[in-house]
Amino acid sequence: GAVVSQHPSWVICKSGTSVKIECRSLDFQATTMFWYRQFPKQSLMLMATSNEGSKATYEQGVEKDKFLINHASLTLSTLTVTSAHPEDSSFYICSANGGLARSQETQYFGPGTRLLVL
Amino acid sequence: GESVGLHLPTLSVQEGDNSIINCAYSNSASDYFIWYKQESGKGPQFIIDIRSNMDKRQGQRVTVLLNKTVKHLSLQIAATQPGDSAVYFCAEPWSSGQNFVFGPGTRLSVLP
Repeated sequence: GAVVSQHPSWVICKSGTSVKIECRSLDFQATTMFWYRQFPKQSLMLMATSNEGSKATYEQGVEKDKFLINHASLTLSTLTVTSAHPEDSSFYICSANGGLARSQETQYFGPGTRLLVL
Repeated sequence: GESVGLHLPTLSVQEGDNSIINCAYSNSASDYFIWYKQESGKGPQFIIDIRSNMDKRQGQRVTVLLNKTVKHLSLQIAATQPGDSAVYFCAEPWSSGQNFVFGPGTRLSVLP
């Protein structure tokens, strides 16, 4: 099946530093990737939609200068949390729309990245 | 606005029993639904999907039922196993068709 990976799976950083999270579609090309944030015992909250070769579309309330998204290729999107603060600690999950060989409507999720900002 | 919600936030079932997880949606124009399973500390995993031209779809030990009249979706898990313990989300696409609205999730606990 469609596999999406994320790296790192766990990251702890000091307040004020920046953290980059990678999302890769391993066996298919994804023109669109999505970034979600999930707090404990809550549902997934969409942060932004990332389209290959164009600027990301951010959801209301999400600071684009704080959460930088780059979709450099059809298999890689990165999320950089700049000047991270403790309130940014969360579980970040990416997903990708299936490629042409699969249903384009189905989203395949990565395993998530847990960020802890001290 | 458009929303997807769940009737039960938690569900406990005995191992071997059948589980039924419910979901209500408000957008009558939605034509595609997906159920995801999320285990602790992991990303959501696709379980099964259904299009609005169907009332029922079966997978391995799972069945999704769609009642468009009352805008209700359910996921049935047969012979529930300990490995089924997780949070289950239903999702429907936004009008743009690019992304999904997720329900709040139902936590399924399987009792020995």
